[in-house]
Amino acid sequence: DTEVTQTPKHLVMGMTNKKSLKCEQHMGHRAMYWYKQKAKKPPELMFVYSYEKLSINESVPSRFSPECPNSSLLNLHLHALQPEDSALYLCASSQERSRANTEAFFGQGTRLTVV
Amino acid sequence: GESVGLHLPTLSVQEGDNSIINCAYSNSASDYFIWYKQESGKGPQFIIDIRSNMDKRQGQRVTVLLNKTVKHLSLQIAATQPGDSAVYFCAENTNSNSGYALNFGKGTSLLVTP
Repeated sequence: DTEVTQTPKHLVMGMTNKKSLKCEQHMGHRAMYWYKQKAKKPPELMFVYSYEKLSINESVPSRFSPECPNSSLLNLHLHALQPEDSALYLCASSQERSRANTEAFFGQGTRLTVV
Repeated sequence: GESVGLHLPTLSVQEGDNSIINCAYSNSASDYFIWYKQESGKGPQFIIDIRSNMDKRQGQRVTVLLNKTVKHLSLQIAATQPGDSAVYFCAENTNSNSGYALNFGKGTSLLVTP
């Protein structure tokens, strides 16, 4: 199983809503990532978890709150988002962060629209 | 804010021709590089990787070339097919104080015409 599964595939939310994005992998990977991708742009790193601990937060606003309940699951909690936060949110995983030659596997993404 | 009308660099090739997609990277300390393919509405998909101790690596119909002197990476696709139409990103695995993370280049849109 080389799959990273993200739910939901699409999400429309208002600026006062609270929602969560979910990501799951069963490859035994110990590093998991959230990326944000705007149209016609490359993915931009938001957060990195290594062994269920947050190791990188790329100056992401606090209205995005990541959580790693266990080594297979990664959540992104959303609250009080702005329309400019509308984007494709990608989850990825890799074996470990300390190794250089480590391919990251990506999920299909959640297409988020903030209205 | 985001620029309106920002376009990705686009490469248009005829079916059956070879394609070459180029990428410049900035960090001379980067030691691992990956090419990803992203189709519309999907996540990036691994194509091929290369370590910094190599200058060429071949896969099925794809070849990656690495020139560390000028910090340049290229992806060659042989006998391009309509299914190859997608956006292609190079990514470098760079090491910060807290470990490795993938950073993506700008991307090139490949359009294969029949």
